Amino acid sequence: TQLLEQSPQFLSIQEGENLTVYCNSSSVFSSLQWYRQEPGEGPVLLVTVVTGGEVKKLKRLTFQFGDARKDSSLHITAAQPGDTGLYLCAGATGTASKLTFGTGTRLQVTL
Amino acid sequence: GAVVSQHPSWVICKSGTSVKIECRSLDFQATTMFWYRQFPKQSLMLMATSNEGSKATYEQGVEKDKFLINHASLTLSTLTVTSAHPEDSSFYICSATGSWDTQYFGPGTRLTVL
Repeated sequence: TQLLEQSPQFLSIQEGENLTVYCNSSSVFSSLQWYRQEPGEGPVLLVTVVTGGEVKKLKRLTFQFGDARKDSSLHITAAQPGDTGLYLCAGATGTASKLTFGTGTRLQVTL
Repeated sequence: GAVVSQHPSWVICKSGTSVKIECRSLDFQATTMFWYRQFPKQSLMLMATSNEGSKATYEQGVEKDKFLINHASLTLSTLTVTSAHPEDSSFYICSATGSWDTQYFGPGTRLTVL
């Protein structure tokens, strides 16, 4: 069974602070995706990383895929209350597009 | 593009009854649809994978006779929770893929079994 452990599980920070969320596994993934989910809604795709060592930026969010394609990180700069939500990483293997979701990181950004 | 809808968005039912949840891809043909379950404050757990016109593949521990999945067309998959019990109360989410690997998720259906 492939497991994706995210850390921290919960993070409460003030507006303007920086943070990093980690997603770790002992398995190799062909690609890794990051989602954000708000209460009562489905996950929304933020980014897909495919190449080991790849770094992608989405405004204040920076995503990195580990060289061995077993882990990933999400860094948020100058967090805003709108960043509040559940962040989920999800790994895909092969071409079947089946995803294994991480344990999730709940982020709360306060004024 | 790549919009997925679910109906209903929430449902409350009595224990022992069956509930059907629909998942539709609105602007693309979904060759594969996935059904997930999410308990409060937890991550998504894959229940089953369904391909149009074939039987669904269920994950270990998911009862196929309890969670009936039908994927009769390229734009519609249904999940029927049969003889629902309070422990089946959860947030059910579907996703769909087309000719690409990215999954697009529906908004979810909250099921409450009394």
